[in-house]
Amino acid sequence: DAMVIQNPRYQVTQFGKPVTLSCSQTLNHNVMYWYQQKSSQAPKLLFHYYDKDFNNEADTPDNFQSRRPNTSFCFLDIRSPGLGDAAMYLCATSRGGNREKLFFGSGTQLSVL
Amino acid sequence: DQQVKQNSPSLSVQEGRISILNCDYTNSMFDYFLWYKKYPAEGPTFLISISSIKDKNEDGRFTVFLNKSAKHLSLHIVPSQPGDSAVYFCAARYNNNDMRFGAGTRLTVKP
Repeated sequence: DAMVIQNPRYQVTQFGKPVTLSCSQTLNHNVMYWYQQKSSQAPKLLFHYYDKDFNNEADTPDNFQSRRPNTSFCFLDIRSPGLGDAAMYLCATSRGGNREKLFFGSGTQLSVL
Repeated sequence: DQQVKQNSPSLSVQEGRISILNCDYTNSMFDYFLWYKKYPAEGPTFLISISSIKDKNEDGRFTVFLNKSAKHLSLHIVPSQPGDSAVYFCAARYNNNDMRFGAGTRLTVKP
């Protein structure tokens, strides 16, 4: 089935140790998003790619970076994770039209020790 | 800046009754609204949407109502079923690729 796949499901890293979260899609969608969701809070958009065009949210910390080497894959890099970066990270895709809905992966739960 | 708000973190209803989930927004530029449902250990999945030019959209047991003057939308589920128990997120967008979410409401439908 076509889908959005996030690996790993759970990720544990140490304070300050770089970590990369992965997302792949078989939907051939133009847009890929990264959301951060902390417990009982709204998913917060970090950035998105429309094809190769990167769009960063104004309040996304510099500690968070993203790469999209091709249509199918998108990575979230956290250069120096802090305790406050522990959260669920959700990847989503869409075709990019004005009325297009988002398709989400199952998320990666990041713990920072 | 929380532009989309779901003020009820949880809701419990009896099977067969109506579930009403509420959402308020502050940005009058939003022109498309969506509801997503999330089960544990899964990503959110799309449920139903409504354009700002409409005030109601219905899909089976699910109906979304939009009151633009009040900047309020609601999701009605009738009749509610135990399988509807999940977290429901309200979302809104105002340009092609920027979607904002509420914090979610956990719905529990009791048999």
